Amino acid sequence: LAKTTQPISMDSYEGQEVNITCSHNNIATNDYITWYQQFPSQGPRFIIQGYKTKVTNEVASLFIPADRKSSTLSLPRVSLSDTAVYYCLVGDPRDDKIIFGKGTRLHILP
Amino acid sequence: DAGVTQSPTHLIKTRGQQVTLRCSPKSGHDTVSWYQQALGQGPQFIFQYYEEEERQRGNFPDRFSGHQFPNYSSELNVNALLLGDSALYLCASSLVVAGDSYNEQFFGPGTRLTVL
Repeated sequence: LAKTTQPISMDSYEGQEVNITCSHNNIATNDYITWYQQFPSQGPRFIIQGYKTKVTNEVASLFIPADRKSSTLSLPRVSLSDTAVYYCLVGDPRDDKIIFGKGTRLHILP
Repeated sequence: DAGVTQSPTHLIKTRGQQVTLRCSPKSGHDTVSWYQQALGQGPQFIFQYYEEEERQRGNFPDRFSGHQFPNYSSELNVNALLLGDSALYLCASSLVVAGDSYNEQFFGPGTRLTVL
């Protein structure tokens, strides 16, 4: 399983766009990149998943360069309710075992 | 449609005791995974159950065992509790789909276990 590295914490302000970058230098050919969000005392929630280029849904965008050694989760116009821990995960989607790192603690300020 | 539910919400035990945590998967899901999340850490995979059998297991001792019932609900049992077992225990459910599609896991709210 590819190891991921992401910032321990980030601060931003309401209305700003937030970009969280994750490094995964030894990503394998079959690996996908998945991001989860977790609020305090709740289980993680799937945000977005991608393999290459760009993926967008109603919540976020995921940018993956051609070499796939990193990825960036982009949250447009954040609000206070986006304060949470964001986990970057890399793995084969056929493997149901999810390996979480320590995540990035995002704190949105008013 | 109810999502993943877990019981109890909170639990306090003493060292050496045994505990059973319960999980009901999201409607239509047939696979249940259990995770342990210590304070300030990411969730750690314990094991996964599919068709009433343990399919995958993480790096946890045999004190951690589980069961899946015909209705797909699941239990996590921990024997001989240690102080270090204090954590949030998360249950996640998914539906196994043949082929390469991603089996998205839906997490429950967790059970907060405190061992004194």
